[in-house]
Amino acid sequence: EVQLVESGGGLIQPGGSLRLSCVVSGFTVSNKYMTWVRQAPGKGLEWVSVIYSGGTTYYTDSVKGRFTISRDNSKNTVYLQMNSLRADDTSVYYCATGPPTGWYFDSWGPGTLVTVSS
Amino acid sequence: DIQMTQSPSSVSASVGDRVTITCRASHVISSYLAWYQQKPGKAPKLLIYGASSLPSGVPSRFSGSGSGTDFTLTISSLQPEDFATYYCQQANSFPLTFGGGTKVEIK
Repeated sequence: EVQLVESGGGLIQPGGSLRLSCVVSGFTVSNKYMTWVRQAPGKGLEWVSVIYSGGTTYYTDSVKGRFTISRDNSKNTVYLQMNSLRADDTSVYYCATGPPTGWYFDSWGPGTLVTVSS
Repeated sequence: DIQMTQSPSSVSASVGDRVTITCRASHVISSYLAWYQQKPGKAPKLLIYGASSLPSGVPSRFSGSGSGTDFTLTISSLQPEDFATYYCQQANSFPLTFGGGTKVEIK
């Protein structure tokens, strides 16, 4: 059974850093693309970042230079390092993955809440 | 970036009603379009991919159509468990983008 579980969220002051983790079971993270999607309170979904099986990464413009996606194959875990956090980064962060045939997400974690506030 | 515009933003309907939600892309995206259902406090669930394909386990009352820039999600006979928010997502190019959502509420 495929399972994704995020952790690492919490309350952080503006300008601070946080690292989110997504522990995966049921498949090997190095064999699939892994993505982060976020959702601000009461708002819609926003794609954040992706890491390909080959290691290539992409980011949405608003997080470029501040967020870094990576993975640890030995731990079957994907990370999102978030630096220089701003109030508008406050969201539930979901990790997700999908089939190799398209950028659709058929497996999601339950999400972890990041609150950026002083 | 490709902008995805959904309409309506909300719809009130009764059990058994037919509900149609539309999604328009700002650029041609062929059939690289997905639909998700999200219930409060839960992660989204994939309903449709490739504009019209249903993943295993999704009820057949859900259907998708369209290509190019205009797409439709139809629920043929609304069930109590279908009251939720629905999002479209373009899967044509990065950055991947979602529509603003359509909330289906009980009439």
